[in-house]
Amino acid sequence: GAGVSQTPSNKVTEKGKYVELRCDPISGHTALYWYRQSLGQGPEFLIYFQGTGAADDSGLPNDRFFAVRPEGSVSTLKIQRTERGDSAVYLCASSFQASGNEQFFGPGTRLTVL
Amino acid sequence: SQQGEEDPQALSIQEGENATMNCSYKTSINNLQWYRQNSGRGLVHLILIRSNEREKHSGRLRVTLDTSKKSSSLLITASRAADTASYFCATDAGSAAGNKLTFGGGTRVLVKP
Repeated sequence: GAGVSQTPSNKVTEKGKYVELRCDPISGHTALYWYRQSLGQGPEFLIYFQGTGAADDSGLPNDRFFAVRPEGSVSTLKIQRTERGDSAVYLCASSFQASGNEQFFGPGTRLTVL
Repeated sequence: SQQGEEDPQALSIQEGENATMNCSYKTSINNLQWYRQNSGRGLVHLILIRSNEREKHSGRLRVTLDTSKKSSSLLITASRAADTASYFCATDAGSAAGNKLTFGGGTRVLVKP
């Protein structure tokens, strides 16, 4: 079946602009996670959804970052007033319930803020 | 903050040799997972080992877990050029923490033909 998909694959924007990154999880997976990976480092947790609600948003760096998952499937990560330090690969993962099962990752969106 | 720390940070071996990398972590875990990443993009899940397991195998991969030392190792036997990638360990602290993963900085493995 289809894996986790993310769009766009690459996004270049200017400092101060607003961006939206989309994640389409594996069908039937209720848990959805966003991570951010800077060059040469491991991914860092941003936010986790169980169904439609954000169960843990402790990894969001500041209030410029926000994510939604209105119907419990597709999720959108929104970044306002982008800064150069936001440049990274944004990874989405899903799992069948948040029950200690493996997480399946999408290919990521590479965000570049000029 | 990164809980898992991989060692070494980089590894260069000849095709056919074995590659071993280690991961240390700080807090109690529900399970530990190893992932592979090519070219800085999507992560591929390799093995999940639960806290009550000590060793697990999958093809040419062998993972050990020592919860008393808070450490894990990944062994790739008979390496191939296609094994060239970055390898990450990730700890899952359990459902109370939403099963979110905490990753280490990774080990970059180069397998020379």
